Amino acid sequence: NAGVTQTPKFRVLKTGQSMTLLCAQDMNHEYMYWYRQDPGMGLRLIHYSVGEGTTAKGEVPDGYNVSRLKKQNFLLGLESAAPSQTSVYFCASSDRSLTSYNEQFFGPGTRLTVL
Amino acid sequence: AQRVTQPEKLLSVFKGAPVELKCNYSYSGSPELFWYVQYSRQRLQLLLRHISRESIKGFTADLNKGETSFHLKKPFAQEEDSAMYYCALSGGSNYKLTFGKGTLLTVNP
Repeated sequence: NAGVTQTPKFRVLKTGQSMTLLCAQDMNHEYMYWYRQDPGMGLRLIHYSVGEGTTAKGEVPDGYNVSRLKKQNFLLGLESAAPSQTSVYFCASSDRSLTSYNEQFFGPGTRLTVL
Repeated sequence: AQRVTQPEKLLSVFKGAPVELKCNYSYSGSPELFWYVQYSRQRLQLLLRHISRESIKGFTADLNKGETSFHLKKPFAQEEDSAMYYCALSGGSNYKLTFGKGTLLTVNP
């Protein structure tokens, strides 16, 4: 049981380049999330998904797109990277049940630098 | 709108001293509150949640609806408690979490 995994672990981009971050979970969770973590800002929700084929905007969605074509995968895309998108990106998943109480399970993070 | 405030960015204590990490929230309904911990360069993990009234690694947190607070406490800090701590709130939507900005706890020997 790997839990939540993220690919890649590190990436350096030049301004204007594009990339996709992959998140995968093997817990059959319905909900998945993408956050960015910046010093002094905590975790901010970028986009989230409440099920396969659905996505919604979070707190800081500009410059990012997402897709949830399969229940276990949640992709985060940067179409034209900017230095302001330098951050650590965390994926998380959760399920609503009497025992889970909406606990979110996090991936190990992707450290992205945009030059 | 829901909001979580952690007033201290940094907190430094000595080993064996009591520690309290503050968390205040703003939410009009009945919130679910959590504390997450992130050890150095590791993923976030759930520490405890108010609804289960647990004590994990010696930490406790009590929800005070009158003061809209959910402070995290431990009577005797250990060096291995050094980490970033995030308070988080879930309300209404029942699946999204709103995080505070975090408090970096350093426990000195």
